[in-house]
Amino acid sequence: GAGVSQSPRYKVAKRGQDVALRCDPISGHVSLFWYQQALGQGPEFLTYFQNEAQLDKSGLPSDRFFAERPEGSVSTLKIQRTQQEDSAVYLCASSLEGGLRIQYFGAGTRLSVL
Amino acid sequence: GNSVTQMEGPVTLSEEAFLTINCTYTATGYPSLFWYVQYPGEGLQLLLKATKADDKGSNKGFEATYRKETTSFHLEKGSVQVSDSAVYFCALISAGGANSKLTFGKGITLSVRP
Repeated sequence: GAGVSQSPRYKVAKRGQDVALRCDPISGHVSLFWYQQALGQGPEFLTYFQNEAQLDKSGLPSDRFFAERPEGSVSTLKIQRTQQEDSAVYLCASSLEGGLRIQYFGAGTRLSVL
Repeated sequence: GNSVTQMEGPVTLSEEAFLTINCTYTATGYPSLFWYVQYPGEGLQLLLKATKADDKGSNKGFEATYRKETTSFHLEKGSVQVSDSAVYFCALISAGGANSKLTFGKGITLSVRP
């Protein structure tokens, strides 16, 4: 596609609900990243995929957070038993492997947990 | 660990004023440095980059020079326009790492008035 696509753009969840956020990267991009951006802060790294392999999940804040990219393209970030502190914008980025590693970002999913 | 520090905001300028946004970093080795911009309602976009000491990145009238001696990457523009109103993030990628995750500063909001 023309850019990184994320859905939904907005998600409201009740505390304790499970949510799934989708990222469709730029076609042919090998690397995929998830970031969490709290209000008034810069994005913070959550996890990284190279193709279907999750090479780094050191930024996931708890075991309630899970990400997958089973076919090396679309990725899903799942948050189980959501808490109020999970409210944030979740950003997905993709890049070609190697070179300058420029990351292209989607518009994000704004999650509000009530 | 890696970190990026940006000057406190917000910043409000009149059209055609000179802009400087300070950014300093802490990282091992020689990171690659970036400025990303987030226009209202849009995703993060790469504004400019520099990959080694004394490199100057430039785009859309913005410039930033990679200063290793002061660990800085300050963003400048000689004459801002109303359309430059956005949030600006300084970021880095560590050199040599298998995971090219971005480490961001907090961001600074720039408002340019006519």
